[in-house]
Amino acid sequence: QLQLQESGPGLVKPSETLSLTCTVSGGSISSSSYYWGWIRQTPGKGLEWIGSIYYSGSTYYNPSLKSRVTISVDTSQNQFSLNLRSVTAADTAVYYCARGSGDLGSDYWGQGTLVTVSS
Amino acid sequence: EIVLTQSPGTLSLSPGERATLSCRASQSVSAGYLAWYQQKPGQAPRLLIYGASSRATGIPDRFSGSGSGTDFTLTISRLEPEDFAVYYCQQYGNSPLTFGGGTKVEIK
Repeated sequence: QLQLQESGPGLVKPSETLSLTCTVSGGSISSSSYYWGWIRQTPGKGLEWIGSIYYSGSTYYNPSLKSRVTISVDTSQNQFSLNLRSVTAADTAVYYCARGSGDLGSDYWGQGTLVTVSS
Repeated sequence: EIVLTQSPGTLSLSPGERATLSCRASQSVSAGYLAWYQQKPGQAPRLLIYGASSRATGIPDRFSGSGSGTDFTLTISRLEPEDFAVYYCQQYGNSPLTFGGGTKVEIK
């Protein structure tokens, strides 16, 4: 059974960089059939797709966040990561990692991690 | 960007009743790449339907999806107690991927 687990700081200061890692177990991240993505959820804006990466390193970002986001993959560790720069209180959210495919949408999700931006 | 509008915002029904949820897109969804998710408090979204009408693995057949182009529907034929939750649609055929605002199905 595929499992995804987010990890990273739960508190980030304004103007700093939010960094999260998603560890994939029970399957390989190096599959050409899937992409690996980050989604966040806030009470005000609902679910928001941040971006996705293929094992090859090809990335796709939401234009609304593109200037601040980097998603990377480490196939040796079966992990992928999110960096969101210059955060503000508006970036406070539950962050999910998920597996996606062009056919299925997002079929496996991590449990989510709450990140609060505050000084 | 494709904007997805879900209606109603809240659906108040009793167990055993039929639920019909709507998702309308601001432009045609490519190749029917429309998914439905269920989310319960404190949990991640769970994939129910993909490709507008295909049930994901392990999803009971009381859940069905239909529609094409810009109008999509999720139907729960007979509500079970565990079905009371928030439901989201998502289009994954065009970047950026977008979600609807959700429909809460609550116990009447």
